[in-house]
Parts: sequence; C-alpha cells; structure tokens
Amino acid sequence: EIVLTQSPGTLSLSPGEGATLSCKTSQSVFRDYIAWYQQRPGQAPRLLIYATSNRAAGIPDRFSGSGSGTDFTLTLSRVEPEDFAVYYCQQYGGSLPWSFGQGTKVEIK
Amino acid sequence: QVQLQESGPGLVRPSETLSVTCTVSGDFSGSYYWNWLRQSPEKGLEWIGYVFSTGTTHYNPSFESRVTISIDTSKSQVYLKMISLIAADTATYYCARAKVTPRERYFDVWGHGILVTVSS
Repeated sequence: EIVLTQSPGTLSLSPGEGATLSCKTSQSVFRDYIAWYQQRPGQAPRLLIYATSNRAAGIPDRFSGSGSGTDFTLTLSRVEPEDFAVYYCQQYGGSLPWSFGQGTKVEIK
Repeated sequence: QVQLQESGPGLVRPSETLSVTCTVSGDFSGSYYWNWLRQSPEKGLEWIGYVFSTGTTHYNPSFESRVTISIDTSKSQVYLKMISLIAADTATYYCARAKVTPRERYFDVWGHGILVTVSS
C-alpha cells in the first residue's frame, strides 16, 4: 500500500494569507494520479483537484495543485473564510488499495 | 445531478454484522465504480472497496476477509456488509462514485455518510 504523509498537521492562517500543503508518497504514484479533497466539519469530503493539477468543476482558481513522483503540493493563494477546513490528499494510481493522507487542518489564526 | 444516500443502523453490537445501503439518484450507468469508504479519528479515511455494475468487486486487503460489496442495478442501490464488528469499526461510512477511466478514478461524488457505532 502506498502511504501518504501530509504536512503540516495544522496550519494557522489569517484570511487573505496564502498556504502551501504538502503530500509525500512512499513510492511514485502512477501518472501522478493524486487528488485533493476539502472536508468541512460535519460534511463529506469534496473533490478539489485531480491528476495533481486539474481543478474539479466549480472549484475557484485560488486552489492549485502541483508536483510529481512522490512530492505533491496544494496551494491556496488567498484563504477565504470558507476555506478553513481539513484537506486530504489521495492516490488513485494503478496501485490498489487507494489510500489517503492523514489530513492537514487549516485553521483561523 | 447525481446524489448518493447511505442508510442503515446507527448502532451495531460487537461481533454482529453491519449492513449499509447506498441509494443512487441519477446516473447509475456502467461508467462508474461504486465505492465504500469509512472515516474515524483513529484511522482517518480508509477505502474499503468497490463494485462495478457487472458485480465485479475489488477490496482493500485490510477488509477483504470481513466485507462484501454488492449491487442491484434495478434498484440503483449498492450494499456493504461487514461481519464480526469490533469497537474499532466505529466510523462514518461513506459511499462514493469513481469513474472507470484510470485518470478519473477519484471520488467525485460522495454521500453524506452514516455514523455507525459499535457498542454493546
């Protein structure tokens, strides 16, 4: 199983600041098939990014993804109040089982 | 707009069997894998397995010995059965959709989830 390690565990920010969330995988992910999800309290995860850098439908362009191989990044250019949530990366490459990172919480400073 | 809705018991006794249903409203075509996942504070998000419209399944080895996922296309429903539950199986269980195309096998639609507590 591919293990995904996210850092930091918690990020404290003020609205308008930028954020960089890291996701490192224990082995290369086939074709960089990494997705990012946002989860607000009491809600199911919501897809943000797929295939490392492609925004899902309706996702604002302040969210962007990058990376390759074993190092991937989710960047929030200007954090809005609704962006305070937990963010998960997930690999869905050829290697089953599909797996998730443990999450990064973005909280209000 | 497709919607997924989980239903089932909120409380299961240890050693008993969990049965959860996911009802799909909308596109239930053969272009998707229908997945079960769960989330707990201790283990985080875990993928349990999927079923395809043909009934083909694939399971996470961590669950394979205890889980059965099945589908009834006539009812637009997907089922999860997990046996021999223990307290560590307490979690929110989600169904989610993933497209069959390799580049699109992310979870693009999720149900709201159902909290299942294992306790006597």
